[in-house]
Parts: sequence; C-alpha cells; structure tokens
Amino acid sequence: SYVLTQPPSVSVAPGNTATITCGGNNIGSNSVHWYQQKPGQAPVLVIYYDRDRPSGIPDRFSGSKSGDTATLTIRWVEAGDEADYYCQVRDGDSGVFGTGTKVTVL
Amino acid sequence: QVQLVQSGTEVKVPGASVKVSCKTSGYSFTSYFLTWVRQAPGQGLEWMGWISGYNGNTDYEQKFRGRVTLTMDTSTSTAYMELTNLRSDDTAVYYCARAGPSFNPNWFAPWGQGTQVTVSS
Repeated sequence: SYVLTQPPSVSVAPGNTATITCGGNNIGSNSVHWYQQKPGQAPVLVIYYDRDRPSGIPDRFSGSKSGDTATLTIRWVEAGDEADYYCQVRDGDSGVFGTGTKVTVL
Repeated sequence: QVQLVQSGTEVKVPGASVKVSCKTSGYSFTSYFLTWVRQAPGQGLEWMGWISGYNGNTDYEQKFRGRVTLTMDTSTSTAYMELTNLRSDDTAVYYCARAGPSFNPNWFAPWGQGTQVTVSS
C-alpha cells in the first residue's frame, strides 16, 4: 500500500518558519492535502490540491510540491499553531494519510 | 454552514458490533462522498473507507474489508459506519468527514466531532 512519510516532530520558535515534509513514491502524480489537528479536536483542512487554502485559513500557511516531496510551510509561527499535522492523498480508490508531524512552538 | 454531527460514546465488549451515525446538514448530501477515519489513542489518522451520497457505492481500506459496512439514508442525510467482531485494538475515535469536491473524493472537510468507541471486557 502507498506510504506517506513525515518527520515525527518539528520544533520552532515563535515568529519563525516551520517546514513539514511529506514524502511518497511518485507523489508528484497525486494531489496532496494537509490537515491540522489540535489536542482533543477533529482535524481541519488547511491546504488542498497541493497549495490552495480553504477560506478562513491564514495565508501564513502555504503548500508546495517538488519531486517526491510535498511541503507545508507555516510562516510567522504562533503559539496557536502547535498541533499535529497530516498530509493526505487519494491513491486510486483509497485515501492515505501521512504518519503525522507534531509541531512544537518553543 | 456545513455541519456533521456524530452519535455518542460507545462501550462494547470484544466480539460485539458498533454502528456510528453521522448526520449532515448545510449541503447537498447526494453530491458528495462521505468518508470515515479513525484514530487510536496516541496514534495517527487511519482511513477506513468512503460512500457515495449519490448512489451508495463504497470503497474500503483493505484491512477493514469484511468487518466494516458503510451505509446511508438520503432521506435524513445521514451516513452510518458499522464495525463488527470488535477487538481491543479497535478502541479509537471514529470520525466522519465530507469528501470533496462533488462526486470525486479527494480532500476531507469539514469533519464531525468524533465518536469514542471503547472495546473492553
């Protein structure tokens, strides 16, 4: 089955930039979507189709893709951005989630 | 606004079945797929399957085939997830989410609030 690999954790100081990667074989041929999940809450879509932002998501959140890696970038990180982040693709008739990255704001 | 409201906490013994509901509102139920995702304690998100609100067609993650059944009731815009032969490692929060865009599941938004299912003897 398709595997999406993310770093387990990323630490960032407030005001700096957090970069979260999502690697998968031939990910370039799939659209990548990103979710933010805060403790005790349901996930929230923050980026879809690699780089589009749903309404209400700050433009500090951006997505990109190059080769076999998709990237979620959070600029001017705030304490409220501390959460788990998951990438996701559609692989044929299945959905696949990445392994998840815990972002800690120092 | 689009809302998905799930049924409440369930506690089951091993070998039992559970059926979780997801009542939707604020959008055309028959124009979207509805997906189910679970999250075991301290673990990541795990996709289980999705169902077309248009014709009830389903796709399931291979590990759940034979144990999970997704159904829907278009008259009440409600989707259901039934998991049978429960084991302790089925203990998790189960989420439903609308899968967009219309007729072509890719991204998942918004999500229901989650339903805690605990399997314990």
